[in-house]
Amino acid sequence: GAGVSQSPSNKVTEKGKDVELRCDPISGHTALYWYRQSLGQGLEFLIYFQGNSAPDKSGLPSDRFSAERTGGSVSTLTIQRTQQEDSAVYLCASSERTGLEAFFGQGTRLTVV
Amino acid sequence: AQSVTQLGSHVSVSEGALVLLRCNYSSSVPPYLFWYVQYPNQGLQLLLKYTTGATLVKGINGFEAEFKKSETSFHLTKPSAHMSDAAEYFCAVSDRQGGSEKLVFGKGTKLTVNP
Repeated sequence: GAGVSQSPSNKVTEKGKDVELRCDPISGHTALYWYRQSLGQGLEFLIYFQGNSAPDKSGLPSDRFSAERTGGSVSTLTIQRTQQEDSAVYLCASSERTGLEAFFGQGTRLTVV
Repeated sequence: AQSVTQLGSHVSVSEGALVLLRCNYSSSVPPYLFWYVQYPNQGLQLLLKYTTGATLVKGINGFEAEFKKSETSFHLTKPSAHMSDAAEYFCAVSDRQGGSEKLVFGKGTKLTVNP
């Protein structure tokens, strides 16, 4: 597609439920990033995929968070047993390769009630 | 791991005044450095980047930044602020240590432009 696409754009879920957030990167981009943006906290790195290398999961805040990238393209971020503190905007970005511009999607606003 | 510090979470300037947003990084290898802008209710877009070569980098909308290795800084400037520059600005470094080259962001600086 023309840009990074994320779905859904908004998600309201009940505490304790699982959610899946989807990211479609720009075609041909080998690097894919997930970030979390909370008010006043900037962009918190979650996970990074680069080609066929093992992902860098060092930013995942707990074992309730996981992500996969199928076929080197679409990525899904899963949050299990959601908590209120998980409420944030989740941003996905992709780049053609490391060091080049990362293009961001519009994000998924997650609200846990 | 590399890190980014943005001094000042909020900066306020008058229209027409100089804009200076500060960014310092920690790195033991030559970094790739970026500035992104986020307008209200919009996604992030790249303003400018430094990878190699000329240390003074020009970006969109009249912004520029200078890579100063000795000061480990990459401050963003614009000679004359416009009302349309009101946004949040993020400095980022490509973490090129340890085999993972993820982008690490600062906490952001919110710029307010007063008429």
